[in-house]
Amino acid sequence: GQQLNQSPQSMFIQEGEDVSMNCTSSSIFNTWLWYKQDPGEGPVLLIALYKAGELTSNGRLTAQFGITRKDSFLNISASIPSDVGIYFCAGQPTGNQFYFGTGTSLTVIP
Amino acid sequence: DAGITQSPRHKVTETGTPVTLRCHQTENHRYMYWYRQDPGHGLRLIHYSYGVKDTDKGEVSDGYSVSRSKTEDFLLTLESATSSQTSVYFCASAEGNQPQHFGDGTRLSIL
Repeated sequence: GQQLNQSPQSMFIQEGEDVSMNCTSSSIFNTWLWYKQDPGEGPVLLIALYKAGELTSNGRLTAQFGITRKDSFLNISASIPSDVGIYFCAGQPTGNQFYFGTGTSLTVIP
Repeated sequence: DAGITQSPRHKVTETGTPVTLRCHQTENHRYMYWYRQDPGHGLRLIHYSYGVKDTDKGEVSDGYSVSRSKTEDFLLTLESATSSQTSVYFCASAEGNQPQHFGDGTRLSIL
C-alpha cells in the first residue's frame, strides 16, 4: 500500500506555543485531509485540501497542500490544552481509498 | 457528524471464535469502510463498500469478510478470530470523493 510518513511522531509543547507537523508521500495525491483523534473516539475531520498549493484555515489551524502534491503541512497557532490528541494526515491518490499517516501525538503543557 | 454508530464498543473473545462487528450510518452515504488501528501503523483499510452488495478488499483483508445488504449497514466478520486481530476497529462512511466520517470504534481483544 501507499506509505505516508508523518512527523514528528510526538510533540510536547507549552500552552501558547505554535505547532507544525507534516506528512510526505512517495506518490502524488489528489486530496489531503487532516484529522484529530481524542482518546476513545474516532478521528474527526479538521481540514480538507483539494488543490496543489491550497492553504486552508479552520480557526487556529492552517493546512497546506504541497505544490509537489506529495506533501502536506498542518500548523496550530497559540496551542491550548484541548488541542491534545493524535493528529492524522490522510491522502487520496485516485478513486475512493484514503491512506493514513501513523499520527502525531500532541501534548500541551499548561 | 455523519451519524455513524458501531457495535459493540468493546468485545473480548477467544481464539477460533467467529466475531461480527456492526456499523450503522444514517447519512445515506454510498461508501463505507472498515479500518483497523494499531500502534505504529495508523489506520489501515480492511474492506470497503461502494454500494449495496458491492465490496472490495483493502490492504489488510486476509482473515476478514464483509457484507452490505442495506445502504445503512456494513458488517465486518472475523470467521475464526486470531490474536493478531486484536485491535481497534473503525468504520467510516463517505459520499463520492468527499472526506470520510468515522464512528467511535470497537475495541476487540482476542485471547
